[in-house]
Amino acid sequence: KNEVEQSPQNLTAQEGEFITINCSYSVGISALHWLQQHPGGGIVSLFMLSSGKKKHGRLIATINIQEKHSSLHITASHPRDSAVYICAVSRHGGSQGNLIFGKGTKLSVKP
Amino acid sequence: NAGVTQTPKFQVLKTGQSMTLQCAQDMNHEYMSWYRQDPGMGLRLIHYSVGAGITDQGEVPNGYNVSRSTTEDFPLRLLSAAPSQTSVYFCASSYVVGGGSLYEQYFGPGTRLTVT
Repeated sequence: KNEVEQSPQNLTAQEGEFITINCSYSVGISALHWLQQHPGGGIVSLFMLSSGKKKHGRLIATINIQEKHSSLHITASHPRDSAVYICAVSRHGGSQGNLIFGKGTKLSVKP
Repeated sequence: NAGVTQTPKFQVLKTGQSMTLQCAQDMNHEYMSWYRQDPGMGLRLIHYSVGAGITDQGEVPNGYNVSRSTTEDFPLRLLSAAPSQTSVYFCASSYVVGGGSLYEQYFGPGTRLTVT
């Protein structure tokens, strides 16, 4: 079983819809990261969370440490949000600064 | 700041050839890592470094060597390329946020390698 699981694997939405991507993990962590990867592009860090909730523009990330679960929400989705969203965790007590990744959620937002 | 830079962007090798993927960062980050990304799989750690002169193996180190002679540079060497090493390679650097155990990650643009 993968240590970091994301759902769904693929997601298609209409412009303006509210989107939720989920991430569950099975190890103790010091932080959880949400990353964005555009087609053929590099990887950008969106959020780093150790507890609670963070918001940046139309993006909101939450984490429940007890349930080992995190969600990434996109409000008022736009075609430019189309990308692969990757959940990754820093294992508690693990190699400093290194991550365990989920397989990603491919989001396509249609106009 | 240029951030994390990688060269080349694309490379085609024949089986058995060797080459070095370059990675540099200008943010004075202590921690650097190499990952590979394959279809249907999450990124996997190849090698990492916690500072100049210190390197260690990650999840998939076989067939790769690294060195860290300076804080800025962290090259990845393929000793004898194999088709199984066809992948997209990402270099990343990170630093500790707030003196705790949270590491902010910065990724390079990636190198797409094909081994025939």
